[in-house]
Amino acid sequence: GENVEQHPSTLSVQEGDSAVIKCTYSDSASNYFPWYKQELGKRPQLIIDIRSNVGEKKDQRIAVTLNKTAKHFSLHITETQPEDSAVYFCAATMNSGYSTLTFGKGTMLLVSP
Amino acid sequence: DSGVTQTPKHLITATGQRVTLRCSPRSGDLSVYWYQQSLDQGLQFLIHYYNGEERAKGNILERFSAQQFPDLHSELNLSSLELGDSALYFCASSVSYREETQYFGPGTRLLVL
Repeated sequence: GENVEQHPSTLSVQEGDSAVIKCTYSDSASNYFPWYKQELGKRPQLIIDIRSNVGEKKDQRIAVTLNKTAKHFSLHITETQPEDSAVYFCAATMNSGYSTLTFGKGTMLLVSP
Repeated sequence: DSGVTQTPKHLITATGQRVTLRCSPRSGDLSVYWYQQSLDQGLQFLIHYYNGEERAKGNILERFSAQQFPDLHSELNLSSLELGDSALYFCASSVSYREETQYFGPGTRLLVL
């Protein structure tokens, strides 16, 4: 089945710096790659997603890039703020065309003022 | 608020017992997914139902079962509970079964003593 590796497991940055989280996946048939943010004790919330026919997508301070050949995708957060502190999960669909997701193990991002 | 509701919020029970977790999807969503989140395993996909039928199974134990009812709400039944079943259980919903956004509920925190 699908395997999703996520790095790093923890990331500490200063406010205003950029943060990058990387994921690799194993199933070349995967076509949908969402990113979720989870604050302590709360539900995962979608922050951005990308499909295999697009190489990059941006939404304000957040961007995601996808390299299908290398089977990896990355989350970029610019001008980080303390409220960006949370656990971020990447995910990939297990079977082409279907919505079952495999999640990475998460990255705890800490943004210090 | 994602529109997905889960009850109860917290559940404390003893080993060997059986519990039922309930999930109501967003209005109009036909798919319900169940996930288990523990500290060492991250978000693990358990099972997916679409319009009343089981669509996909993940790492779901035989002691666990689920169903989706005609009104589209879903229940996850956990039996013969063990200490290791203590975790956060999330359900998520989406419109159909294709590659699309999944919206998570607030979760049920289960503690098995």
